[in-house]
Amino acid sequence: GQQLNQSPQSMFIQEGEDVSMNCTSSSIFNTWLWYKQDPGEGPVLLIALYKAGELTSNGRLTAQFGITRKDSFLNISASIPSDVGIYFCAGQVPLKGSSNTGKLIFGQGTTLQVKP
Amino acid sequence: DVKVTQSSRYLVKRTGEKVFLECVQDMDHENMFWYRQDPGLGLRLIYFSYDVKMKEKGDIPEGYSVSREKKERFSLILESASTNQTSMYLCASSSLLFGNSPLHFGNGTRLTVT
Repeated sequence: GQQLNQSPQSMFIQEGEDVSMNCTSSSIFNTWLWYKQDPGEGPVLLIALYKAGELTSNGRLTAQFGITRKDSFLNISASIPSDVGIYFCAGQVPLKGSSNTGKLIFGQGTTLQVKP
Repeated sequence: DVKVTQSSRYLVKRTGEKVFLECVQDMDHENMFWYRQDPGLGLRLIYFSYDVKMKEKGDIPEGYSVSREKKERFSLILESASTNQTSMYLCASSSLLFGNSPLHFGNGTRLTVT
């Protein structure tokens, strides 16, 4: 089945530093999503991207939907301690001939730790 | 806000037991999903449902079944629990028009099978 390669697997950074993570796939997706999971919680949506080339910001977060539709990146600027958590990318697989929309494929996650 | 509620945060079961994980959502969403989360593997789809009494296999359905008798409730069933099913289980829901309504997750059930 389709797979997403998310990197890096983990990051340990100093407060105030910028962070960048990305996901790549051999398949085309029609939607890219970025989620964050705090310890003991379920993932929460950060940013949704629906169009190739789209660049979207949400506060200190910026994400882009790659032109080839096979990749996406997430940047976090000026990190703070509450940015700690696991970040997941997810791509939606288009379903042909279906009234329903496709399921999500998730990356392996990037664990972010921020040192105050 | 959408609320997806999983009935248990932590469960400990013995090998061979039948296990039920319950999930309820309050936003009248058509789609519901069960994922399991394991370190280094991300979230993997077990089963999903886009309507009452409808179900479709995800990527790792072996050893699991599901039930969707009511729109708001989606149950994951482990017919005979095994130690390799020790994991974090996440339920999620979304509207039929997925492009405008990404997945909303519950807080997860951490299942340990001994």
